[in-house]
Amino acid sequence: QTVVTQEPSFSVSPGGTVTLTCGLSSGSVSTSSYPSWHQQTPGQAPRTLIYNTNTRSSGVPDRFSGSILGNKAALTITGAQAVDESDYYCVLYMGGGVWVFGGGTKLTVL
Amino acid sequence: QVQLVESGGGVVQPGGSLRLSCAASGFSVSAHGIHWVRQAPGKGLEWMSFIRYDGSAKYYADSVKGRFTISRDTSKNTVYLQMDSLTADDMAFYYCSKDAYYASEYWGPGTLVTVSS
Repeated sequence: QTVVTQEPSFSVSPGGTVTLTCGLSSGSVSTSSYPSWHQQTPGQAPRTLIYNTNTRSSGVPDRFSGSILGNKAALTITGAQAVDESDYYCVLYMGGGVWVFGGGTKLTVL
Repeated sequence: QVQLVESGGGVVQPGGSLRLSCAASGFSVSAHGIHWVRQAPGKGLEWMSFIRYDGSAKYYADSVKGRFTISRDTSKNTVYLQMDSLTADDMAFYYCSKDAYYASEYWGPGTLVTVSS
C-alpha cells in the first residue's frame, strides 16, 4: 500500500523561509495527484491552505505557496510568523476514488 | 458564505451504530462533492469517504468499507455518514469538507465519536 510521506517535524526562524514536502513511498507526485495542504492547530478543525497543487484557498496569506519540486509536492512559507506554528498535512488523490493523507509535519517557529 | 456543520456524534457501545450529519450552507451539495475525514485523539487525519456532486459515485477507505455508508438529502442540503459495527478504532473527531479539485476546500468544526462500553 502506497504511503504518503511528510517530514515529522521542521523548525524555522521567524521571518525565514521553509519548504515542507509531500512524497510517495512508491512513485512520484504530480499535478494529477491534486496535492492539497491543510493547517491544523491543536483543538481546531483543519484549514485548507492550498489545493490543486498551487491554488490558495480564500483568505490564505500569499506567504503560503504550493508547487511540485522534483517528485514531491511542496508547501513553502516565505516570511514565517509565530502564528504559523501548527501541524501541516498534505493529501494526495490516488485515483479510483481514493485519497491518502500524509502523517503531518509539526512546524515550530523559533 | 460557505459553512458546514457536523452533528450526530456521541458515545456508542462497541458493535453499535451512529449516523453523522453534515449540514451545508452557502453552496449546494448537488454542485460539490463532500468528503468525510476523521482524526483519532492525538493522531493524524485519515480520509474516510467521498460522495460525488451528482451522487453517482461513492468511495470509501478500506478501513471502513462495508461498515460505513455515505448518502445525501439534497432537499436538506445535507450529507450523512452511517457508521455500523463500530469499534474502538473508530473513535475520533469526524469532519466533513467541501470538495474542490479533488481536495477538501472548506471544513466543518467536527463531531466527536466515542466508542466505549
